[in-house]
Amino acid sequence: QKEVEQNSGPLSVPEGAIASLNCTYSDRGSQSFFWYRQYSGKSPELIMFIYSNGDKEDGRFTAQLNKASQYVSLLIRDSQPSDSATYLCAVRRGGGYQKVTFGIGTKLQVIP
Amino acid sequence: EAQVTQNPRYLITVTGKKLTVTCSQNMNHEYMSWYRQDPGLGLRQIYYSMNVEVTDKGDVPEGYKVSRKEKRNFPLILESPSPNQTSLYFCASSHQTSGHPDGYNEQFFGPGTRLTVL
Repeated sequence: QKEVEQNSGPLSVPEGAIASLNCTYSDRGSQSFFWYRQYSGKSPELIMFIYSNGDKEDGRFTAQLNKASQYVSLLIRDSQPSDSATYLCAVRRGGGYQKVTFGIGTKLQVIP
Repeated sequence: EAQVTQNPRYLITVTGKKLTVTCSQNMNHEYMSWYRQDPGLGLRQIYYSMNVEVTDKGDVPEGYKVSRKEKRNFPLILESPSPNQTSLYFCASSHQTSGHPDGYNEQFFGPGTRLTVL
């Protein structure tokens, strides 16, 4: 079982719709969870991080965390063509542990 | 401008010819890391460094070496490159976290180095 699992996609949504990206992780000691966006040929950039169960909203983005189910998701409201990219889920254990493990990423295509 | 720089950005080389990919950051970050990204495998950590002279293996360290003699620099060395090291490489840096979950500091990634080993 992979430490961090994502569906590679592509996930296609029409412009203006809600895109839902999902991620599961295997290490119950994980405490911090991150979503990175990576445009083709570019480096990853952090969109959001979350560490408490529940929802965290930032503009059009909402991260959701359920530690009991070992599940983290990213919702993108009012999807725009500029949101078309690969979204990487990443997980870090707590206690000062620095190592961050990434999923393979989900490719999102927003259709105009 | 705060940034992580990598050189070279593109490199084509032959099997067995030693090479070094440089990484430098100007943000006084303690933590630096090297990743490789391959289709279907995602970002995998090669080596990381918690501070000067402190380095440790990541998930895929075989065939690579690193050093951290200065805080700003973290070069990746391939002593004898092989075709299976053909990949896209990213360097990243961040401040040290405090240990508390919300003490995480964002990792800043370099622009990437596309390496081809023939």
